[in-house]
Amino acid sequence: DQQVKQNSPSLSVQEGRISILNCDYTNSMFDYFLWYKKYPAEGPTFLISISSIKDKNEDGRFTVFLNKSAKHLSLHIVPSQPGDSAVYFCAASAFDNDMRFGAGTRLTVKP
Amino acid sequence: DGGITQSPKYLFRKEGQNVTLSCEQNLNHDAMYWYRQDPGQGLRLIYYSQIVNDFQKGDIAEGYSVSREKKESFPLTVTSAQKNPTAFYLCASSIGWGDHEQFFGPGTRLTVL
Repeated sequence: DQQVKQNSPSLSVQEGRISILNCDYTNSMFDYFLWYKKYPAEGPTFLISISSIKDKNEDGRFTVFLNKSAKHLSLHIVPSQPGDSAVYFCAASAFDNDMRFGAGTRLTVKP
Repeated sequence: DGGITQSPKYLFRKEGQNVTLSCEQNLNHDAMYWYRQDPGQGLRLIYYSQIVNDFQKGDIAEGYSVSREKKESFPLTVTSAQKNPTAFYLCASSIGWGDHEQFFGPGTRLTVL
């Protein structure tokens, strides 16, 4: 039962353009959402998060948007850089802190 | 230099053998976790520990065992009862059980021959 879904396994964008990574969830009890970034041969590292009381959180080039009614969140990277090429995981947790992860989206930023 | 270490990076095991994956953290975190990643799937929780000398089963605990005798260490044993053990295993920790941000180790890729 995949409660967090990332329907695009891969995404390719040109350097300098916007990257938009999407994530959908089914459990309405989720109240905290995170994005992790993973390079090959390394563990995932925390990138940005958002609580359900907000609909947007920004950190430099990274912005996460949350649409609770649609149970959808997205990560925007502007402008995209080749160093952003990695696998991005969406994660969600409820009050019991049981975190659920999506399958990941592999982003490739072409120079 | 604080962080989480996992060893070994690659591990090969013969069918029917138990194997233990190491996870050590020097972040002084109370909570630790073990996840399994399979192709096309998200990370799935195997076991977690909120505090030393305590651990709880996650979604896919069957065929696995853990111990938490020290705050810094949370080893995972993959037993012969695990029907499909070939996977990528990730260990993580967080400051406490209520903290959402988890810090991950580099992972161990286990292959059963």
